Parts: sequence; structure tokens; C-alpha cells
Amino acid sequence: GEDVEQSLFLSVREGDSSVINCTYTDSSSTYLYWYKQEPGAGLQLLTYIFSNMDMKQDQRLTVLLNKKDKHLSLRIADTQTGDSAIYFCAERPGGSQGNLIFGKGTKLSVKP
Amino acid sequence: DSGVTQTPKHLITATGQRVTLRCSPRSGDLSVYWYQQSLDQGLQFLIQYYNGEERAKGNILERFSAQQFPDLHSELNLSSLELGDSALYFCASSVASGREGGEQFFGPGTRLTVL
Repeated sequence: GEDVEQSLFLSVREGDSSVINCTYTDSSSTYLYWYKQEPGAGLQLLTYIFSNMDMKQDQRLTVLLNKKDKHLSLRIADTQTGDSAIYFCAERPGGSQGNLIFGKGTKLSVKP
Repeated sequence: DSGVTQTPKHLITATGQRVTLRCSPRSGDLSVYWYQQSLDQGLQFLIQYYNGEERAKGNILERFSAQQFPDLHSELNLSSLELGDSALYFCASSVASGREGGEQFFGPGTRLTVL
């Protein structure tokens, strides 16, 4: 079945780069997403990548997709304390009508 | 602000009761999705509507039902509530049915507490 795996925690120092990794199982997934959730808040769409792309860059965010290994990563350059949040990876399986399958989320802690 | 609105923000009720959660999608979006976020299950897809019609069902209990109205807002009805139904319920919307569109925007959620 479809499944998305992420490590649960990541701690970095302010100014460093953060890399959050994710693996997914459905090789027919069409879109892959990164969402951010701050305490007590909803899910904010950060970026997404279509499955025929290898990389997407958006300001401080870089998404890398290795389709062969079904591995997705999110790199945050110059990480700030305001980036502290839970980051969710999600896939849209090829057979779905649009619903997403989410990982459990990676809690990013940024130390000053 | 994603443009997706949900009411109420918080809901506290007792076991056995019934509640209705409401969602208004972003202007122009035809698809509405409902998700449940709980500590043990994480984020789970419940159900999707597109332009008033049910399109997909996920892990939705029989005690739960939803509908999408002609003005495209959606309601999620939860009945015979149990303690385990306590969770954050999110609504999301997208322009298309999902096969074409890439972006799915989430509302702020409704936190349901069942006592």
C-alpha cells in the first residue's frame, strides 16, 4: 500500500542548512508536497514538485526528487528560528482523485 | 492565509453527541477534501467532493458523513461521538478534481474535543 516515511526530529543551528528527508512507496505518484505546520496552526503549502522533475528551487527552499529511489528531500538554506515547525511530506498517488498521503511529520528545532 | 475558512475553530462536546463542521473553499476551487489529524494516526484523508459530488473516500467511519452544497461550501457531520474522535479536522481545497491540479490548500482546522 501507499506509505510515506520521515524521520521524526531534526535539530540545527540558526544560519545552517536543514535537510528533511522523506521516502514514499507509490512509484506512480504524480505530485509530491512539502507542508509546514506551526504550533496550533493549519498546514501551509511550502512547495510541490511534479514527478517528472528532479529539482525545484524557491528562494531558500530546494526540493530534490530521486524517483528511482522514491526519495524526496527539502533543503532550507540559512535556517532561522522562525522555521521551527513540523514539516510534512505528502504524495498524491497516481490512482487518486487528488487526496494526499502524508508522512508523520519531521519536527525541526532551530537553536540560536 | 490560505483562503480556506473553517468554523468553528474549537468544539467541545460529549460522547454520543453529533456535531457539524463547516468549510468554505478558496474562491474558484471546486474540490473539497476532509482530513483528520490525530496523535496516533497522523493525517488521514477522509473524503473528497468535487462540484457537489462525492469523488473519493478514505478512512471515513460510517458514523461520519459529508456533503458539498451548490455554493461549494462543505459540511462534515460526525455522529455518535466517541472519545477517540477527538482530533483536528482539516478541510482543503483545490481548483480541479485532483487529477490535473497540483496545489491543495488547507484551512486552519477545527479542533474537536469529545469528553
